[in-house]
Amino acid sequence: QQQVKQSPQSLIVQKGGISIINCAYENTAFDYFPWYQQFPGKGPALLIAIRPDVSEKKEGRFTISFNKSAKQFSLHIMDSQPGDSATYFCAASRGSGGYQKVTFGIGTKLQVIP
Amino acid sequence: DTGVSQDPRHKITKRGQNVTFRCDPISEHNRLYWYRQTLGQGPEFLTYFQNEAQLEKSRLLSDRFSAERPKGSFSTLEIQRTEQGDSAMYLCASSFGDSSYEQYFGPGTRLTVT
Repeated sequence: QQQVKQSPQSLIVQKGGISIINCAYENTAFDYFPWYQQFPGKGPALLIAIRPDVSEKKEGRFTISFNKSAKQFSLHIMDSQPGDSATYFCAASRGSGGYQKVTFGIGTKLQVIP
Repeated sequence: DTGVSQDPRHKITKRGQNVTFRCDPISEHNRLYWYRQTLGQGPEFLTYFQNEAQLEKSRLLSDRFSAERPKGSFSTLEIQRTEQGDSAMYLCASSFGDSSYEQYFGPGTRLTVT
């Protein structure tokens, strides 16, 4: 079963616009919510992350909004640029035997057009 | 380059053949993970090593799959009697420390089974 649901699967945004990707989870044991960015031919790279005791985290043009009661979180990319074109994965992790076991969403392919 | 490296980057093999992939984690990272990523999906956890000990294996890791991490440094993932369903990107990640919230991914090995 899909423990982390992500939408949309693809997104086209004009340069300068706002990109929004949404995720939802079921398991309340998750205690860390990272977002990964993946370019073609590369492995995923951590972009930004949030813990469930915080409702929002901002790093530059990237913001995570977190709603613990609804078990939902989202990534907002402000002033989207063509260089942001990539696949974005939301994820949720929980401690398991001393490490964080990460469950990924299906991914959102973002295309920013000039 | 001090990131996670994987070799080979691409592997084409015929069904029934054995293949072996190598992962070199970031120096001094004591935790190492293998994931599988199929087209249009997020990475799925396969197995986890803390130093040289393999501490967790996913149900996705059938008996045809074996992973090792001798001396707690590099790791190998072997697939025996490959099947077309094994075609995927195999990603390695590493992390350090007790918290290990951030995992650093390598570029992956893309396997095609014909």
